[in-house]
Order: sequence, then structure tokens, then C-alpha cells
Amino acid sequence: SAVISQKPSRDICQRGTSLTIQCQVDSQVTMMFWYRQQPGQSLTLIATANQGSEATYESGFVIDKFPISRPNLTFSTLTVSNMSPEDSSIYLCSVGIVEPYEQYFGPGTRLTVT
Amino acid sequence: GQNIDQPTEMTATEGAIVQINCTYQTSGFNGLFWYQQHAGEAPTFLSYNVLDGLEEKGRFSSFLSRSKGYSYLLLKELQMKDSASYLCAHMDSNYQLIWGAGTKLIIKP
Repeated sequence: SAVISQKPSRDICQRGTSLTIQCQVDSQVTMMFWYRQQPGQSLTLIATANQGSEATYESGFVIDKFPISRPNLTFSTLTVSNMSPEDSSIYLCSVGIVEPYEQYFGPGTRLTVT
Repeated sequence: GQNIDQPTEMTATEGAIVQINCTYQTSGFNGLFWYQQHAGEAPTFLSYNVLDGLEEKGRFSSFLSRSKGYSYLLLKELQMKDSASYLCAHMDSNYQLIWGAGTKLIIKP
């Protein structure tokens, strides 16, 4: 298993600003993922954060809006840029353990955009 | 394409047994996962099936039939703390998780 922390746990931001969310893992992991979860909805994968290369984004998500950094095997950041109220959501990072392919989630960041 | 379906909501009684079903369609398969998510919290891993059959882990069991694209999560001796959403997800050929919408389980005394 892995212990994952996220900062901030919650924030209220104004429209047009940007917020960077940090994800820290207590061990080195190859796979890190960023998800978004709207209230009462399931998880939507934003991107896979790859160490040493650009993140791989899912359909509907672009790097200009959600830039991701992965400087090493224990840390990643997700920035939500030029925010609008539609970006209000819970943002979760997770890590993938290769065998047996379990994913462990951070506690999430609850973002409200006003 | 890829699709995964599970009931939106189920209600059960404390002490009873409940089965949450999940069906999926995928072109590549690397396992079926169940996660539990309490309101306002992150999902936590419950089970992983990659071969057909039943995996038992305490009060929780998970079943998989790959030929039918079908899984279920069985919860026994229900407790009030089991009230949560249960997320079914399958891992595709790219080792990404494809998530169902989740089943909200309500436990009544």
C-alpha cells in the first residue's frame, strides 16, 4: 500500500485564478493519476502523470487548462488554470501499484470556484 | 467501446446480506475492482478479481465471470458503517481504470 497526502484539502477560489494541488507519496511509484469527481458522480480520469515526460491527458482535458508536473517518483502537482464555477469539484490523486494493479487514493482537494 | 453499469442505489437492513451487481463491456481486460467510498472521503480499495470465481475477504466477497462481463460484491452481516457508495471499475488493456457511476448503499436499522 501507499500513504498519499494532498494539499490543500480544500479551497475557495475566484473565477479566473489558478490553483495548484500537490500530491505527495510516501514511497516511489511509477504510476500517478489525477481524477476529478463531481458531487454524487463517479471518478473521471484527467490525466496520467508520467515521471520525466509530459502527462497523458484524457479526452476533454488539455494541458493548458490542467498542467501537470511530475518531477520525481514521489510527487506530482495539478494546476487548475483560469478557473470557472464549472471547475468546482473534488480533485483526487492516486497511485498505481503494479502488482496486483491496485490504486490508492489521496484524501482529495475540494475546490469551490465563485 | 467500453461501458460499465451498476445500480444507482440499494437499500438493505442491518445484519442482512446484500449483493451489488456490475456488468461491463471492454475490448481489453486486466481485472475488476471494487472500491468503497464514504461520503466526503476518498475511495478505498476493497477487492480485485482477474480470474473467474469468488474471492472472499472477511464479510466482503467479490465474484467475477469474464465470459459474461459480470461481477458482484457481496456484503454479509451488514453494519451501519457499511453505508457508502461502492464503485466498480475494470482495468483496460492500457492498465487504466474505467469506473462505474457507483452504487449508493443505504443500511437501515
